[in-house]
Amino acid sequence: KNQVEQSPQSLIILEGKNCTLQCNYTVSPFSNLRWYKQDTGRGPVSLTIMTFSENTKSNGRYTATLDADTKQSSLHITASQLSDSASYICVVAAYYGNNRLAFGKGNQVVVIP
Amino acid sequence: DTEVTQTPKHLVMGMTNKKSLKCEQHMGHRAMYWYKQKAKKPPELMFVYSYEKLSINESVPSRFSPECPNSSLLNLHLHALQPEDSALYLCASSQDPGSTNQETQYFGPGTRLLVL
Repeated sequence: KNQVEQSPQSLIILEGKNCTLQCNYTVSPFSNLRWYKQDTGRGPVSLTIMTFSENTKSNGRYTATLDADTKQSSLHITASQLSDSASYICVVAAYYGNNRLAFGKGNQVVVIP
Repeated sequence: DTEVTQTPKHLVMGMTNKKSLKCEQHMGHRAMYWYKQKAKKPPELMFVYSYEKLSINESVPSRFSPECPNSSLLNLHLHALQPEDSALYLCASSQDPGSTNQETQYFGPGTRLLVL
């Protein structure tokens, strides 16, 4: 069973609108949670990284939240742009994880004009 | 400089060929990684090098042979690959290979490999 589940699997949004992506995880003991953006055929680019003591972190129009009690995170995209079309991957690291990361399958976002 | 570079960008090889993928970072990171990613799937960890020593091999077939010549370079030697090995191969690095797993991994752009 995948330790990181993301929803929705894919969504289409109009340019300028907001959207929120969800991530639930079961990784334990928890170390940190990262959101990456991956354009098709390219490597993932880090957007945010949060430890258990952080509730929210922003990177431009991207805002990530974390609830370590319920093991949930969200990524909010504000005023979407065409360049936001990508896969957004939630990645969770376990404490004493020996550099292994648990990857979600990604949220595929398509922004249309 | 927060860049991980990979060469080549694209590679087409036959099943009898020998080729190598290269990865380089100049951030002083001491952990480097190889991942394999199939279309519409998350990256799968293949190898981890910590302080230039192989620390994790995720039961990868021997037709993939990693090498870490120094702290900035990571190679992946390919020999007798199969068509199902066609994928995007990603290199990543992180600052500290410590066991607490706190560091962000920075990914390269990947090498898209096609095995015929």
